[in-house]
Amino acid sequence: DVKVTQSSRYLVKRTGEKVFLECVQDMDHENMFWYRQDPGLGLRLIYFSYDVKMKEKGDIPEGYSVSREKKERFSLILESASTNQTSMYLCASSPSGQGRGGYTFGSGTRLTVV
Amino acid sequence: GENVEQHPSTLSVQEGDSAVIKCTYSDSASNYFPWYKQELGKRPQLIIDIRSNVGEKKDQRIAVTLNKTAKHFSLHITETQPEDSAVYFCAASGLSGGYQKVTFGTGTKLQVIP
Repeated sequence: DVKVTQSSRYLVKRTGEKVFLECVQDMDHENMFWYRQDPGLGLRLIYFSYDVKMKEKGDIPEGYSVSREKKERFSLILESASTNQTSMYLCASSPSGQGRGGYTFGSGTRLTVV
Repeated sequence: GENVEQHPSTLSVQEGDSAVIKCTYSDSASNYFPWYKQELGKRPQLIIDIRSNVGEKKDQRIAVTLNKTAKHFSLHITETQPEDSAVYFCAASGLSGGYQKVTFGTGTKLQVIP
């Protein structure tokens, strides 16, 4: 019963490529988030969205952008991939009004930039 | 913004012993504190949470305590089992810039030795 689906489990991209990471949730959640997970640094928020076509920067937005054209889909875009963006990327969603954690996470996309 | 510190970063216990993970937060406006468990290669999953109007919450072998005055909260696992081995993340959530924002700790890798 997968509820948050990330399109790729593993990705290898070249430096300078434009990279799209897709996330789809089927729980009708208003809130969606993108995190990156690095050893010793925990989970760091890149961008989040509380509504369709709405986006807000998180703690580490540099080098990233997002798109939310439909409620169920939240895309993370690396405009020009760099080696320091090699990481595990986690998408999460939560219902509106809760917004206090209680996230449902996707399985993650491990991105390697070479 | 909010800052969450989590200790220890690694923890090894014998099966049947108790494990305690501690977190501190900086923003007194934080009002919700979830804990996530991430098994190797899997997504983080919410295991227990506590709100700021409660001092302690228990769910079978897992309990969480919150000291608002000292701004710290802890996860307690009793009678540990090998399947408790995982990385545990604490988080603090509160209003920031008009949005409910979640800040994660850096994680604790718990190893339960059979």
